[in-house]
Formats: sequence, C-alpha cells, structure tokens
Amino acid sequence: EAAVTQSPRNKVAVTGGKVTLSCNQTNNHNNMYWYRQDTGHGLRLIHYSYGAGSTEKGDIPDGYKASRPSQENFSLILELATPSQTSVYFCASGETANTEVFFGKGTRLTVV
Amino acid sequence: GQQVQQSPASLVLQEGENAELQCNFSTSLNSMQWFYQRPGGSLVSLFYNPSGTKHSGRLTSTTVIKERRSSLHISSSQTTDSGTYLCAPYNTNTGKLTFGDGTVLTVKP
Repeated sequence: EAAVTQSPRNKVAVTGGKVTLSCNQTNNHNNMYWYRQDTGHGLRLIHYSYGAGSTEKGDIPDGYKASRPSQENFSLILELATPSQTSVYFCASGETANTEVFFGKGTRLTVV
Repeated sequence: GQQVQQSPASLVLQEGENAELQCNFSTSLNSMQWFYQRPGGSLVSLFYNPSGTKHSGRLTSTTVIKERRSSLHISSSQTTDSGTYLCAPYNTNTGKLTFGDGTVLTVKP
C-alpha cells in the first residue's frame, strides 16, 4: 500500500505566525492533495497538484499556499495563521487522475 | 459545485445486523472511492470502484455511474465496524476528489 507521511503530527502555532505542513509520499504518485477536516464540514479540498511544480486551487484555498518542489513532497503553507485555521489536515496521493487515493495520518493544527 | 449526499447520517446496529449505506452525487463523474475513519483516525481506503460491484470480506460496494449513486453494504456487522464511512466521487474534469459528510455507524454488542 502507498505510504504517505505527514509532519508534524501535532502543531500549536500563534496567530499571525507562519506554519508549514509537510507531506511525503514514496510511491511516485503524480497527484497529491491537501484537505482539512472539521466537525460539521467534513473533508474539504484546499490545494492539489498534478506533479512537481504544479499546484491547483481546491474548494477552500483562501489563506493557504501550496508548494510541490518534487514528485515526493507537497507542502501546505499558512503565511499568517488564524484561529479559524485550527483543524485536522490530511494529505493524500494518487498515481494519476481517477485512480485510488491514499491518505496520511493527519496533522492536528491548533492556532492560538 | 459538485454535491455529495450520504445517507443515513448515522446508524445504530446490533452486532450481527446488516447495514446499507448510500451515496448520491449531483454531477457526472468517473469513479467512486469509499473510506473508513475511526474517531481521531486517518482514512482507510475500503474500495476504489469505478463501476459495478466489488467485494471484500463482509463488505460490498456497488456503483452505478449513470444513476449517480453508490452503496456500501456491510453484512454481519461487528463492534469493530463502528466508525465513519465516507464516500468520495472523483471528477476527472476537475481533478477533484470530493467527500460526502459521512455515515456514522455504531455497532452495539
């Protein structure tokens, strides 16, 4: 099964600070995704990527940037963290479009 | 945007009973994936099912693309089946995997 590793697993950040969430996958998947999960909203897509150098806006991109410097790595960047960005963030990868997607274990972010 | 509706929102069973979970979506798509999630846990892929019926142990997934629906059947439920079941249709036009809100299943001993 595909291995998707997220770091850190837990993070406490201060309002206005910069936060970077990292995701690494070792299965040479082209597509990678960042979601956030909140009670009452389910899983919502923030950014995704089709390969190294590509980033696409998902359904809720405001306040987030993404970076895909290599096939293996996909980062989510919060330049100015706000308490509303307190959530659990999941990274996922898939070989290509329309193939099975695999998730990391999640990062719990608290912005105080 | 694409809308995904799962039903029921929650379900309580006695161990041994069967469950049928439904997923309906409002736009055309190309495949469906079902996930299982424990509270506070990650998402585990149960089925990647572009169309038709697939089986895995006590689980069966059926997707009918033309009718924009998919179902997940759990037979002879066990307490360890408790958790949230999420469906995620995939739209190759947008490249997005969009999730329903899930069905919370509780299986009592």
